[in-house]
Amino acid sequence: GEDVEQSLFLSVREGDSSVINCTYTDSSSTYLYWYKQEPGAGLQLLTYIFSNMDMKQDQRLTVLLNKKDKHLSLRIADTQTGDSAIYFCAESQGGSYIPTFGRGTSLIVHP
Amino acid sequence: DGGITQSPKYLFRKEGQNVTLSCEQNLNHDAMYWYRQDPGQGLRLIYYSQIVNDFQKGDIAEGYSVSREKKESFPLTVTSAQKNPTAFYLCASSSPAGGVPKSYNEQFFGPGTRLTVL
Repeated sequence: GEDVEQSLFLSVREGDSSVINCTYTDSSSTYLYWYKQEPGAGLQLLTYIFSNMDMKQDQRLTVLLNKKDKHLSLRIADTQTGDSAIYFCAESQGGSYIPTFGRGTSLIVHP
Repeated sequence: DGGITQSPKYLFRKEGQNVTLSCEQNLNHDAMYWYRQDPGQGLRLIYYSQIVNDFQKGDIAEGYSVSREKKESFPLTVTSAQKNPTAFYLCASSSPAGGVPKSYNEQFFGPGTRLTVL
């Protein structure tokens, strides 16, 4: 089975909060990442969290980590149409290890 | 400006032809990677290189080849042996590579090349 799982689609109304969820299986995961991919482009790192943290906040983005359940979430407050993109969850054991990516969640923001 | 470039953005080839995708970075990164992206399948690792003149197969290396003669460049050749080559190809680079990890491994991605085999 997959090492990192995400749901494929999420649709929200502009101004609402979006929550994108991710589960992973590797208990030795040290770093967990969220990447954003806009249409026809490469990926950009949005944020990351170290495994000894429960939460990380960066402006409109909040990352929650439940290490016991191996569950990671990304909350986007006040979602805008410019947030429409594919969001990838990824995990790695450390800086020298190649991240394993999930399949990506397509976020659709409608007026 | 520092960054990672891929060319061309769109590429069309006839079935049975080899084709080489370019990837260049001026970020002074040691590690470079090639991924393939298909709809609903996320990113799959084709090849990676952690240092010049060395590279390793990823999860789906069959039908592909790479070289790493220079730190800045990591070209990918899609050979005629690749059964279903039509896809979006992404190149990435990162640092540090190897050794004791000291920090997170942010990968910097190029804009991608969309390859269509007719």
